[in-house]
Amino acid sequence: AQSVTQLGSHVSVSEGALVLLRCNYSSSVPPYLFWYVQYPNQGLQLLLKYTSAATLVKGINGFEAEFKKSETSFHLTKPSAHMSDAAEYFCAVRSGGTSYGKLTFGQGTILTVHP
Amino acid sequence: DAGVIQSPRHEVTEMGQEVTLRCKPISGHDYLFWYRQTMMRGLELLIYFNNNVPIDDSGMPEDRFSAKMPNASFSTLKIQPSEPRDSAVYFCASTPRTGTGYGYTFGSGTRLTVV
Repeated sequence: AQSVTQLGSHVSVSEGALVLLRCNYSSSVPPYLFWYVQYPNQGLQLLLKYTSAATLVKGINGFEAEFKKSETSFHLTKPSAHMSDAAEYFCAVRSGGTSYGKLTFGQGTILTVHP
Repeated sequence: DAGVIQSPRHEVTEMGQEVTLRCKPISGHDYLFWYRQTMMRGLELLIYFNNNVPIDDSGMPEDRFSAKMPNASFSTLKIQPSEPRDSAVYFCASTPRTGTGYGYTFGSGTRLTVV
């Protein structure tokens, strides 16, 4: 079975500050990992994904995430927050090698950016 | 590409009525997923299709829910009869393949309110 835990349902930062959103996963086989962003009243948009190539993955809007197998983590970071980054962020896991490949989502982290 | 298209965007109905949600996946995507999002339960996978065939419907909450995919470009999720606890945002997503790290493309969702 696979699962995702996002630490912190709400994260608040000041504009220009570092953004760190935490995600830990559980998977019995090498995973594929994803971060999605959801703006109000919109669907989920793919930010970035890890698919067993480079462990440091760069995504859209200046976000990046590092896959750490020893820590079973895939934390999302951005050096300098913008007001437009305010949204809900979801980490998701899909175990590679399966025939169906369902995505399992974490509970989400709401990011608030203060001026 | 127009992306994944869902209709309607909002639906308000009375308890006991039948509700039909519609989804048009991205052309060429072989997999289609229906998710439900609520504050209490987060994102839940209801059912998914591969090449128009239902693969896993274990997430469908009960017999009141049914989903079909009569062709590669159209799917419906039906609730009959609807209940207030069905109020949620329902998302459709599609992906060209699984097991290879492809992410999903989500529609904008249908916000269902059952009164």
